[in-house]
Amino acid sequence: QKEVEQDPGPLSVPEGAIVSLNCTYSNSAFQYFMWYRQYSRKGPELLMYTYSSGNKEDGRFTAQVDKSSKYISLFIRDSQPSDSATYLCAMSLYYTGNQFYFGTGTSLTVIP
Amino acid sequence: DVKVTQSSRYLVKRTGEKVFLECVQDMDHENMFWYRQDPGLGLRLIYFSYDVKMKEKGDIPEGYSVSREKKERFSLILESASTNQTSMYLCASSQAAGGGDEQYFGPGTRLTVT
Repeated sequence: QKEVEQDPGPLSVPEGAIVSLNCTYSNSAFQYFMWYRQYSRKGPELLMYTYSSGNKEDGRFTAQVDKSSKYISLFIRDSQPSDSATYLCAMSLYYTGNQFYFGTGTSLTVIP
Repeated sequence: DVKVTQSSRYLVKRTGEKVFLECVQDMDHENMFWYRQDPGLGLRLIYFSYDVKMKEKGDIPEGYSVSREKKERFSLILESASTNQTSMYLCASSQAAGGGDEQYFGPGTRLTVT
C-alpha cells in the first residue's frame, strides 16, 4: 500500500466552478500537510501548508485536514483557467527530518 | 526569492553513458533533494543531503549516486545510464531539518536515455 494515495484525474471543470482535490494516507504519524501546484514543464511550487488537523484558507484556496479519517482536501473556489495545473499533495513526519511523501498528482483543467 | 537552478532542461544520453545532473540553490539551505517524477508514480525520492558531504538514500537509490562538496550544489550521477532511467528529475532544497519545512523545487531536467 502506498503511503499517500491521490486520484490522478484528469479533472475538467468550467470556469467559476468549485474544485475539490483529495488525498488519503496510511501513516497516522504524519503531522505536516502540503499542497503543491505544478504547471506544465515547471517544478512544483508550494500552494498551501497546514500543521495537524483543521482548515486553512488563503484567498480562493482552502486546505482541510481530517487526521481521524487520514484524509486531506484542497478546495478551489471560483476556479480560473490559470488554475489549470497538476496538484500534488505532500506530507511529512516531524521526527524523521525532512522527507516528504508525495501523492501522484491530480491534473486539473479549467475551461473558459 | 529562493532560486533552485538545474543545469539542463532537456538531456538526451545513450545507454551506458555516465550522466551528471547539477543543482544549485542560492538561499544557503541546509537540505537538498533529488526526485524523479514519472506518470502514475508521482515524485519519488532518490537521495537527499542535510549537510555538505552528507547523503542519505531515499526510496529508489539504485543506479544513482550523489555528491555534495559545497553547500549550494548537489549533483546526481547516473553511473551507467539505462533506458528505465528516462524520467523528469527534480531537485529541491529546504532551509533546515525538521518536519514540514517547505521544499523549493527547480524547473526539472527531462532526461531521455536511448
